[in-house]
Amino acid sequence: AQSVSQHNHHVILSEAASLELGCNYSYGGTVNLFWYVQYPGQHLQLLLKYFSGDPLVKGIKGFEAEFIKSKFSFNLRKPSVQWSDTAEYFCAVANFGNEKLTFGTGTRLTIIP
Amino acid sequence: NAGVMQNPRHLVRRRGQEARLRCSPMKGHSHVYWYRQLPEEGLKFMVYLQKENIIDESGMPKERFSAEFPKEGPSILRIQQVVRGDSAAYFCASSTGSKGETQYFGPGTRLLVL
Repeated sequence: AQSVSQHNHHVILSEAASLELGCNYSYGGTVNLFWYVQYPGQHLQLLLKYFSGDPLVKGIKGFEAEFIKSKFSFNLRKPSVQWSDTAEYFCAVANFGNEKLTFGTGTRLTIIP
Repeated sequence: NAGVMQNPRHLVRRRGQEARLRCSPMKGHSHVYWYRQLPEEGLKFMVYLQKENIIDESGMPKERFSAEFPKEGPSILRIQQVVRGDSAAYFCASSTGSKGETQYFGPGTRLLVL
């Protein structure tokens, strides 16, 4: 069965710092990869997704993620964070042809002004 | 254009009572997914439904839990004889059902069992 690991449970950064959140999955077949964000008091929103093609994916609000198949990883990055990026970030994976998402436990990001 | 709607947003039940959680998908979406988030854990898949059809219920507990998505009306997740361990946030997502299509999430229902 697919499993997803997000090793950073809580990350605290100052504004303008660079961000990288780790995500690793276990199943080695073809996968679709997602990052969702949950801002305080709001519902989950899609940040970006990878299905095929260029392994460097750009999403909303300046976020990007890189799919490295050999490492089973899909790390999320942002060169300069803002206070408004404070939220919980979830990595999710779907095995190709299967619609159900397997989520990581999430990373809580706190940005200090 | 309304997104995925869930109600109630908060639900309190005593042990042994029934909980009914409702999900109205986005306009144009005919596929619904239910996920559960226990405290300090990630979201766990429960069930995937199409109108009048259960596609995948591999994540549903074997007893007390059921889900439906009738031809008319919202999808319902029903939990009979709730126990304290059922306390969690229950999220619904919807999509068009096309392979790989993005799932759009609702705000969730927070269930508290006393």
